Amino acid sequence: GIQVEQSPPDLILQEGANSTLRCNFSDSVNNLQWFHQNPWGQLINLFYIPSGTKQNGRLSATTVATERYSLLYISSSQTTDSGVYFCAVGIYNQGGKLIFGQGTELSVKP
Amino acid sequence: DADVTQTPRNRITKTGKRIMLECSQTKGHDRMYWYRQDPGLGLRLIYYSFDVKDINKGEISDGYSVSRQAQAKFSLSLESAIPNQTALYFCATSLAGGETQYFGPGTRLLVL
Repeated sequence: GIQVEQSPPDLILQEGANSTLRCNFSDSVNNLQWFHQNPWGQLINLFYIPSGTKQNGRLSATTVATERYSLLYISSSQTTDSGVYFCAVGIYNQGGKLIFGQGTELSVKP
Repeated sequence: DADVTQTPRNRITKTGKRIMLECSQTKGHDRMYWYRQDPGLGLRLIYYSFDVKDINKGEISDGYSVSRQAQAKFSLSLESAIPNQTALYFCATSLAGGETQYFGPGTRLLVL
């Protein structure tokens, strides 16, 4: 099955700093989503981005499908950005189920 | 109002008990999913359903069963709970297989 690897596993930032999170996947995919899991466990959709680039405020994401990776950029980080960021991928012929990476745990210090 | 709701939000039960976790959605999506998250890990798929008559096992279905009572409702049952089923359980929905999945708030389950 598809393997999804995220890096780095942990990241500590000072408030205001920028960061890049990476997601590598082992096969072609039709679905790629980025999620933020907040300290209360809630999963928040950030991007649906099987290819291309999207931006939403201080966050942006780029997926290069041909090279099987996706990047999540966080600019001017805030303490509320803390939590775990997950990348998940899916394939149409596998029922649309998502395969999750292990996540990147981000801690933003004031 | 939340589009995907889960009940209960927290549950403590004892080994051997049968429990049911419920998921409801108002998004009108055909596809529904149950995932499990263990501490420090990503989510893993338990079961998924394309519609009321189509239910499929995921990668970790042993010890679980599901029921799709209607398009909007998908329940997960633990027939005889065991401690290693202690986890955070998420329900999700999507319009189709390659579309965005929307997750509920999760149910924290502790099996003693």
